[in-house]
Amino acid sequence: EVRLVQSGAEVKKPGESLKISCEGSGYTFTNFWVAWVRQMPGKGLEWMGIVYPDDSDTRYSPSFQGQITISVDKSINTAYLEWSGLKASDTAIYYCARSDFWGSYRLGALDNWGQGTMVTVSS
Amino acid sequence: DIRMTQSPSTLSASAGDRVTITCRASQNVNNNLAWYQQKSGRAPRLLVHKASSLKPGVPSRFSGSGSGTEFTLTISSLQPDDFATYYCQQYNSFSATFGQGTKLEI
Repeated sequence: EVRLVQSGAEVKKPGESLKISCEGSGYTFTNFWVAWVRQMPGKGLEWMGIVYPDDSDTRYSPSFQGQITISVDKSINTAYLEWSGLKASDTAIYYCARSDFWGSYRLGALDNWGQGTMVTVSS
Repeated sequence: DIRMTQSPSTLSASAGDRVTITCRASQNVNNNLAWYQQKSGRAPRLLVHKASSLKPGVPSRFSGSGSGTEFTLTISSLQPDDFATYYCQQYNSFSATFGQGTKLEI
């Protein structure tokens, strides 16, 4: 069974840094893109970026480029999403999800999702 | 980025109704289009990929169609469990994008 398990909820102050994680299991983690998706309170889904675990190839949405860092440690089947200076507007649920296409040359649909990590940024 | 526009934003319907949600892309995405269902407080769930391929385990009352820039998700006979928010997503490029969502309510 494919599973993506995310780290727990976080409460941070503006300006603080944060790294959340997403551990994959039940499949060959290295050969499927992992995506990060934001959902602000009461709003829709926003594509943030993706990482290919085998070679750490990373692509960012223009809306998030420079604001976040996506990384991966394939030795422990874990992808990460990181901020160096959080803002109140980063308050949201963050989901990781697996692209269903085997290989790096294109994307597939997001067929398996993590449970989400709630990040609250407040002074 | 490719812009995805769903209509309607909200849809009121009753159990047993047939409903259709439309998704338009600002440029050709071929058939690289997925539909997701999201219930309150839950992660999204993939329903349809490649515009018209139902994910195994998804009830057959769901169907997707279209290619290029215009796509539809149809639910043939609404069940109480179907009241949720639905999103389309294009993945024709590495900068994928979602529609704004359609809330299906009773």
